[in-house]
Amino acid sequence: DGGITQSPKYLFRKEGQNVTLSCEQNLNHDAMYWYRQDPGQGLRLIYYSQIVNDFQKGDIAEGYSVSREKKESFPLTVTSAQKNPTAFYLCASSDRPQETQYFGPGTRLLVL
Amino acid sequence: AQSVTQLDSQVPVFEEAPVELRCNYSSSVSVYLFWYVQYPNQGLQLLLKYLSGSTLVKGINGFEAEFNKSQTSFHLRKPSVHISDTAEYFCAVSDLYNFNKFYFGSGTKLNVKP
Repeated sequence: DGGITQSPKYLFRKEGQNVTLSCEQNLNHDAMYWYRQDPGQGLRLIYYSQIVNDFQKGDIAEGYSVSREKKESFPLTVTSAQKNPTAFYLCASSDRPQETQYFGPGTRLLVL
Repeated sequence: AQSVTQLDSQVPVFEEAPVELRCNYSSSVSVYLFWYVQYPNQGLQLLLKYLSGSTLVKGINGFEAEFNKSQTSFHLRKPSVHISDTAEYFCAVSDLYNFNKFYFGSGTKLNVKP
């Protein structure tokens, strides 16, 4: 089955720690996205990538970093500079940028 | 930039009643329109989309939506809801002149009561 996987389902971060969220897709999509979801705020774009080895900042990129070394993988690192990281993180991919985005199951990040 | 407004943050409705979830967007330039559903602690699942053609779009689970360009709206409807429709629904707009930008509404929680 084609789809998007995210791991882990839950992630705990200690103060000052960097953590990495995994996102893998086998849909052969060029474009991939990371969103942050907070209650009552909808989805906010963190980073996106149109093609391997290229990525762009979204609306709330501060405190986050990404890489796109392979077409199927787009990991997100939440750095210690992100002071309020507690949220639900969603990864998505699309065949063409302005068309349908397909979402993974999400990772919930909590701060210890 | 686009903005997407979902006027109702919560909609309570009884089972088998009809429901309409409202979505308005800010700009009348060429757009693609989407409705997604999210069940608790899960990702978003596409319900339906409007790219072009007929303004009445049918999706999964008996949902449909109508694109109204003059009113910049894309309201979601279902004639008879089930308990299993309880979820959060998101409207999204893709601006064809600003690639890679999806604009999401803040979501509407549909609570279907027995």
